[in-house]
Amino acid sequence: NAGVTQTPKFQVLKTGQSMTLQCAQDMNHEYMSWYRQDPGMGLRLIHYSVGAGITDQGEVPNGYNVSRSTTEDFPLRLLSAAPSQTSVYFCASSPGQGVGGYTFGSGTRLTVV
Amino acid sequence: KQEVTQIPAALSVPEGENLVLNCSFTDSAIYNLQWFRQDPGKGLTSLLLIQSSQREQTSGRLNASLDKSSGRSTLYIAASQPGDSATYLCASSQGGSEKLVFGKGTKLTVNP
Repeated sequence: NAGVTQTPKFQVLKTGQSMTLQCAQDMNHEYMSWYRQDPGMGLRLIHYSVGAGITDQGEVPNGYNVSRSTTEDFPLRLLSAAPSQTSVYFCASSPGQGVGGYTFGSGTRLTVV
Repeated sequence: KQEVTQIPAALSVPEGENLVLNCSFTDSAIYNLQWFRQDPGKGLTSLLLIQSSQREQTSGRLNASLDKSSGRSTLYIAASQPGDSATYLCASSQGGSEKLVFGKGTKLTVNP
């Protein structure tokens, strides 16, 4: 059972480039979300989804897009990378309906130069 | 807007000591309260989940309690070990979407 799988683990981008961070879970969880973790700021919610075809914005959504075409996958797209998006990104999933907590992926460390 | 606070930000104890980590939240209308552990450069590992109808959960040497009326949760670690050294994060989940709001964590160091 792989849990939540994030790829890549590390990435360096140039300012203005775009890329997609991949997230997949094999637990048939309905709820998925993306967080970024920055020193002194803690973990902040970027976007979340409560099921396939349903997404919504979190606390810091600007510069990011998401889609949820399947239950398993929840990719995060950086449209035009900026140095302020240098961070560690975590994807998480939960069964929802209050029946269980969140399982986190191992993270993607992104540097924008 | 929910705010989650963890005090202290850092804690250093000798091996074998029992300790308590504190988590407070401003909005008592939470769904769940979840405690995580994060080792340097790693992801988050779930330790304990307390649903809103529960008062505490136990796993091995760990015990977490929840008092919604006072907006507090505690994580009790018994007989601490150097391997317990890590950052401990608490997070409350809000509303039907169960979005997590995190505290900034307590960095625990257990000295041999």
